[in-house]
Amino acid sequence: QQQVKQSPQSLIVQKGGISIINCAYENTAFDYFPWYQQFPGKGPALLIAIRPDVSEKKEGRFTISFNKSAKQFSLHIMDSQPGDSATYFCAASTQGAQKLVFGQGTRLTINP
Amino acid sequence: ETGVTQSPTHLIKTRGQQVTLRCSSQSGHNTVSWYQQALGQGPQFIFQYYREEENGRGNFPPRFSGLQFPNYSSELNVNALELDDSALYLCASTVGQRGYYGYTFGSGTRLTVV
Repeated sequence: QQQVKQSPQSLIVQKGGISIINCAYENTAFDYFPWYQQFPGKGPALLIAIRPDVSEKKEGRFTISFNKSAKQFSLHIMDSQPGDSATYFCAASTQGAQKLVFGQGTRLTINP
Repeated sequence: ETGVTQSPTHLIKTRGQQVTLRCSSQSGHNTVSWYQQALGQGPQFIFQYYREEENGRGNFPPRFSGLQFPNYSSELNVNALELDDSALYLCASTVGQRGYYGYTFGSGTRLTVV
């Protein structure tokens, strides 16, 4: 119940295309859903986050879509660029918990 | 001082040994969390410290222990190292007891146990 399942494991997108990464969860108490971006040799960096009271949040080229009834959320990267090539992690947490539960990660490659 | 600094960046230890990993948090960040990231996996929560007291612990055995100091630095200690302890260890700091908002992660320490 504490798991967050992420797919796909790897993704190749052409420059300018849309990258879509999906996550699913079971614990309905989760109330915070961030996405992290990690480059090789670096720690994860917060990209964008959403709470379950909204269905979509957009920041620049990055959008989170949230479906509370399906217990799913996804990251959309519009106009994908080679510099977006990285590993992306979804995560979830509950108010009062001290930890984030991370998905398994998606290695994204943007071909020029 | 900005950012989270971890040392060393890489470390090789022998099974059964003990290791201490260090983290220097961003100034003013009174909450530090440690995560273990196995190769090809997402980070897993080890424990969190808030104002020098343990404030939550994940599913890790007692041979994983920590300390947080008043100068915003912290340590992760692992005793009786096992081969499965080989991983990237990440330190993350933030402000406040509900310590997962606005995490700033360090670049990690890559531990290899042989």
